[in-house]
Amino acid sequence: KQEVTQIPAALSVPEGENLVLNCSFTDSAIYNLQWFRQDPGKGLTSLLLIQSSQREQTSGRLNASLDKSSGRSTLYIAASQPGDSATYLCAVEGQTSGSRLTFGEGTQLTVNP
Amino acid sequence: EAGVTQFPSHSVIEKGQTVTLRCDPISGHDNLYWYRRVMGKEIKFLLHFVKESKQDESGMPNNRFLAERTGGTYSTLKVQPAELEDSGVYFCASSQGLATDTQYFGPGTRLTVL
Repeated sequence: KQEVTQIPAALSVPEGENLVLNCSFTDSAIYNLQWFRQDPGKGLTSLLLIQSSQREQTSGRLNASLDKSSGRSTLYIAASQPGDSATYLCAVEGQTSGSRLTFGEGTQLTVNP
Repeated sequence: EAGVTQFPSHSVIEKGQTVTLRCDPISGHDNLYWYRRVMGKEIKFLLHFVKESKQDESGMPNNRFLAERTGGTYSTLKVQPAELEDSGVYFCASSQGLATDTQYFGPGTRLTVL
């Protein structure tokens, strides 16, 4: 059974700092890994999707890496801003579990001005 | 292009009552998913439709939950009778393909069972 863990559960940083969020998963047989952002009371916004054959994806100040063999992904946020404050969720689509996503519990990020 | 929409945004009901949640996927998306997040837990899969057919309903917690997708368009998720532990946020997502496509999520319905 796939399990996804995100560390840390919460993170508070000053504005301008670069930061890394971590995600690990137990079963490396995945199709892809996706990073989402959730603002309070809102839905999930997809940030980056990395296919299993890829090593990283970049979008603006965000860079996500994937090491499938070790079951790890990181989300790097450069030059953080207060508007980046949100909960960040990692989810994997496994090869043996249909097309469902298995989520981690998320990292709650606060960027202080 | 409109995103995934869900109705209602909030619902407060008493234990034993019935509630029906609705999801309208992105137009043209054959795949529709239901997920939920209960207090303090991670988001968990409930079921997956491909068009009007249930592809995978292994995440449905029990037979008090009934999902339908009429004509392969919008979907409803009915909880009858609702129990306290059903409280949480119910998300709907849709995608075009399967393994390679992003799932786009709706804003969720917050269900509170008193």
